[in-house]
Amino acid sequence: QAQLVESGGGLVKPGGSLRLSCVASGFTFSDFYMSWIRQAPGKGLEWVSYITSGGTTMFYADSVKGRFTISRDNAKNSLYLQMNSLRVEDTAFYYCAGGYPYGPLDYWGQGKLVTVSS
Amino acid sequence: DIVMTQSPDSLAVSLGERATIKCKSSQSVLTNSNNKNYLAWYQQKPGQPPKLLVYWASTRESGVPARFSGSGSGTDFTLTITSLQPEDVAVYYCQQFSTTPWTFGQGTKVEIK
Repeated sequence: QAQLVESGGGLVKPGGSLRLSCVASGFTFSDFYMSWIRQAPGKGLEWVSYITSGGTTMFYADSVKGRFTISRDNAKNSLYLQMNSLRVEDTAFYYCAGGYPYGPLDYWGQGKLVTVSS
Repeated sequence: DIVMTQSPDSLAVSLGERATIKCKSSQSVLTNSNNKNYLAWYQQKPGQPPKLLVYWASTRESGVPARFSGSGSGTDFTLTITSLQPEDVAVYYCQQFSTTPWTFGQGTKVEIK
């Protein structure tokens, strides 16, 4: 069965950087568009970014544009999110999620908590 | 940006009764080229990631019980849970994937009355 496992969360100071990783198994990773979705504790879902299956095109929410970079390595079945210039309001659970091109988010990871605090 | 508005924010339904959740988008999510509504519904239980229930507004994901159904087109959509079960207690979100930024509704919390 499909599985997505995130790693790399933790506590970071405002202005700091963090890199999230997500390893996929149980499906053909290179066929899927991959996304990062975040959820502040006790709040709703916010789409952050997605990357096309070949890794050539990326989209970002305005709230993270210029600070976050999504990337993937299809040879390693891995998705990444480089987060720079982190702000307190970036504190959230970050979910890795994937779906067929132009489709919904079929598969979700368990999420990783990123806490930005001094 | 397309704003997704769900109603109600929460509802309490007796076991075996019907739960109805509405979702309204600020712009149509119907694509004329393939006549598909780029609208999905997700279920999120406490401490778990969201789970896809319905996509293209009315197509049930494999393995999702038949008591879950989606309907609607254009800007107005509904998720219906017929005969609510204890395991259906969760927050439900609609999402449009028609246009970036993809956007979610604020969520509807379903509880047992």
